Amino acid sequence: GAVVSQHPSRVICKSGTSVKIECRSLDFQATTMFWYRQFPKKSLMLMATSNEGSKATYEQGVEKDKFLINHASLTLSTLTVTSAHPEDSSFYICSARLAGGREETQYFGPGTRLLVL
Amino acid sequence: ILNVEQSPQSLHVQEGDSTNFTCSFPSSNFYALHWYRWETAKSPEALFVMTLNGDEKKKGRISATLNTKEGYSYLYIKGSQPEDSATYLCAFYGGSYIPTFGRGTSLIVHP
Repeated sequence: GAVVSQHPSRVICKSGTSVKIECRSLDFQATTMFWYRQFPKKSLMLMATSNEGSKATYEQGVEKDKFLINHASLTLSTLTVTSAHPEDSSFYICSARLAGGREETQYFGPGTRLLVL
Repeated sequence: ILNVEQSPQSLHVQEGDSTNFTCSFPSSNFYALHWYRWETAKSPEALFVMTLNGDEKKKGRISATLNTKEGYSYLYIKGSQPEDSATYLCAFYGGSYIPTFGRGTSLIVHP
């Protein structure tokens, strides 16, 4: 099956620093990648949709300048949390999709747990 | 904001028990419903993709049904095993390719 990796799996950083999270599709080319955030005991919340070679589409309430997304190739998307603050501490998870269509499932990475001190 | 609810939030069963849980979603503008299985420290894994009212899908001991008119899907596990312990997520697609996830049902199967 399709495999998506995510790195790092866990990161602790100081307030004010920036953190980059990578999402890679290892054995397929992903036209679309999604970034989600999950707060404790809450559902996965879609942050943004990124398509290779174009700007990401952000969901309402998600700051574009705070969460920079780059989808430079068909196998790599990055999420950079800029000037991180404690309230950015969360679980971030990416997924990739081969193509459009309602039959198409998403393939998820294992997630990144971010703790901002 | 679309309302996708999963119940119960958590479930403890004994090995060998059969169990089921629910995903409810808006009954209008249905596009697709996906079920995922998410084990701790692993990636969520796709279980079923359901698109038609009345769909019934099966994978081993796990099966799912879909009622788009009333807005719910059931996931059934027959003869639960400890390895079935995971969080089961549903994702609703309402007229677009963007999913809305439920909070998940956490299943723990005790040996």
